[in-house]
Amino acid sequence: NAGVTQTPKFQVLKTGQSMTLQCAQDMNHEYMSWYRQDPGMGLRLIHYSVGAGITDQGEVPNGYNVSRSTTEDFPLRLLSAAPSQTSVYFCASSRGDRGNTEAFFGQGTRLTVV
Amino acid sequence: SQQGEEDPQALSIQEGENATMNCSYKTSINNLQWYRQNSGRGLVHLILIRSNEREKHSGRLRVTLDTSKKSSSLLITASRAADTASYFCARRNQGGKLIFGQGTELSVKP
Repeated sequence: NAGVTQTPKFQVLKTGQSMTLQCAQDMNHEYMSWYRQDPGMGLRLIHYSVGAGITDQGEVPNGYNVSRSTTEDFPLRLLSAAPSQTSVYFCASSRGDRGNTEAFFGQGTRLTVV
Repeated sequence: SQQGEEDPQALSIQEGENATMNCSYKTSINNLQWYRQNSGRGLVHLILIRSNEREKHSGRLRVTLDTSKKSSSLLITASRAADTASYFCARRNQGGKLIFGQGTELSVKP
């Protein structure tokens, strides 16, 4: 069981470039989320999804797009990268069941925007 | 911000001592969860306590929840150097969002 897989692990972008961070889970989980982690800020929710075809914004959605065309995949798109998006990004998934379940995390993508 | 507050932000103790971390939140919850993050790694779930529970144990971990005070605490007993990590509380709000606190950095010195 691979769990939650994020690619790439590291990425350097130039300001204005776009890219997609990939996230896949093989546990048939309904809930999937993207977080960014910055020093002293903890984890902040960017976007999340409660099932295929359904997405919603978190605390810090500006500059990011998501889609959920399948249960397994939840890619995060940076439309025009900015230095303020330098961060570590984590994808997480969990079963539904009204939220009484734990979240499983990927290993993270460390993104630097120069 | 929807984030809860955790304190202390950093905690340094000797091996064998107990470590206590606290978490407060502002809105009603379905459950409260605690996670651990080793440096440079993803988060790992430790324990979940439902809103109708007051205390839960898992090995050397003890979690309490006081919904009237909107607070929770995580106690690690007989700490080990391998417990050195960041610890986060997280709560599920209405709609299924999992919101994290800012975390406590625990350092256990051998």
